[in-house]
Amino acid sequence: GQNIDQPTEMTATEGAIVQINCTYQTSGFNGLFWYQQHAGEAPTFLSYNVLDGLEEKGRFSSFLSRSKGYSYLLLKELQMKDSASYLCAVMDSNYQLIWGAGTKLIIKP
Amino acid sequence: GAGVSQSPSNKVTEKGKDVELRCDPISGHTALYWYRQSLGQGLEFLIYFQGNSAPDKSGLPSDRFSAERTGGSVSTLTIQRTQQEDSAVYLCASSFRNTIYFGEGSWLTVV
Repeated sequence: GQNIDQPTEMTATEGAIVQINCTYQTSGFNGLFWYQQHAGEAPTFLSYNVLDGLEEKGRFSSFLSRSKGYSYLLLKELQMKDSASYLCAVMDSNYQLIWGAGTKLIIKP
Repeated sequence: GAGVSQSPSNKVTEKGKDVELRCDPISGHTALYWYRQSLGQGLEFLIYFQGNSAPDKSGLPSDRFSAERTGGSVSTLTIQRTQQEDSAVYLCASSFRNTIYFGEGSWLTVV
């Protein structure tokens, strides 16, 4: 079967760094997405990785290792507004999206 | 419009009634997805349209749910004889190549 695993919940301190991991097993691979979702709102796009390596975009970076079926989202200089759920999704060989259940990130002052 | 547009944004309906939810994807986006999300839960896949191909309906939870996409653009998700467990936010997303954009969702409450 196909599945995406990510931690259910993480807690971090304002100003610190946090890494949210995602492991996947899918039928084929056409890219991995990270989305941010605040409570009561729709998910918003953060990043897309299709090649191995690190993609940096401001305070957020995303890493992919296709051989390991592994990705992480790195958030630096955490702000209170970063409190949200972070969703990992993989596009399989049929261009269908397989979603993780999301990681709820709690930022403490 | 610039983004994915969904309507209605909120809908309260009585149990047993039919509802229609509409999604206007971003112009030119060939792929369209419908998801359902209950409070505090992950995204539940419902249906996927890609161009002129037959839709992937594998996520529809029962035969009360149906969806169509007319002219490769606007999509309508129909729920017949609504039940209380249908209460959720219904999210539509469209994509072209490497980015998927979500609409703001239609919040459905069945009372």
